[in-house]
Amino acid sequence: DGGITQSPKYLFRKEGQNVTLSCEQNLNHDAMYWYRQDPGQGLRLIYYSQIVNDFQKGDIAEGYSVSREKKESFPLTVTSAQKNPTAFYLCASSIDGRGSYEQYFGPGTRLTVT
Amino acid sequence: GQQVMQIPQYQHVQEGEDFTTYCNSSTTLSNIQWYKQRPGGHPVFLIQLVKSGEVKKQKRLTFQFGEAKKNSSLHITATQTTDVGTYFCAGQIYSGGYNKLIFGAGTRLAVHP
Repeated sequence: DGGITQSPKYLFRKEGQNVTLSCEQNLNHDAMYWYRQDPGQGLRLIYYSQIVNDFQKGDIAEGYSVSREKKESFPLTVTSAQKNPTAFYLCASSIDGRGSYEQYFGPGTRLTVT
Repeated sequence: GQQVMQIPQYQHVQEGEDFTTYCNSSTTLSNIQWYKQRPGGHPVFLIQLVKSGEVKKQKRLTFQFGEAKKNSSLHITATQTTDVGTYFCAGQIYSGGYNKLIFGAGTRLAVHP
């Protein structure tokens, strides 16, 4: 059963702690993305990766970091430098980043930082 | 920067009524995609429009792409309770060797039986 998995579904952290969100896909897609969704707002791009060992900053990369060591995996670390980390985080993938392909989304991780 | 504006933000309808959401981009788009997000869920791709003036239908849903490739609409005929959710448009622009999706803020649809 192909798809994108994100874990955990809910995550709670204390302010000042780094936290890593998992994203795995078995769709054999080259491109992967991380978005942040806040209530009443659209999706804002944090980071994207077109290929293994390569990634670029999106529109709101400050306070976040990523890695792409394997095609299947694109973990996102929310660092203590992120001013408002509480949000719904969505990972997505597409066949590649150059063509006009739809994006497939994971179920999301809801992060709460207190 | 590039923006995609979407209206209305929220709409209540009675079951059976029609519903329309509109998107407008500040720049010409390569194409536009539409996604639906059910409450508590994640966005799911509905359709992609590529050509100027294109119209596509999926059962009760009609999607249009403007002649200038800067605006788009989604119209649902005779809404049902299963249509509940947030509908997002996402304009695609080609920038820096990468096809970037810019999402609108979404229109949240509530359907009363």
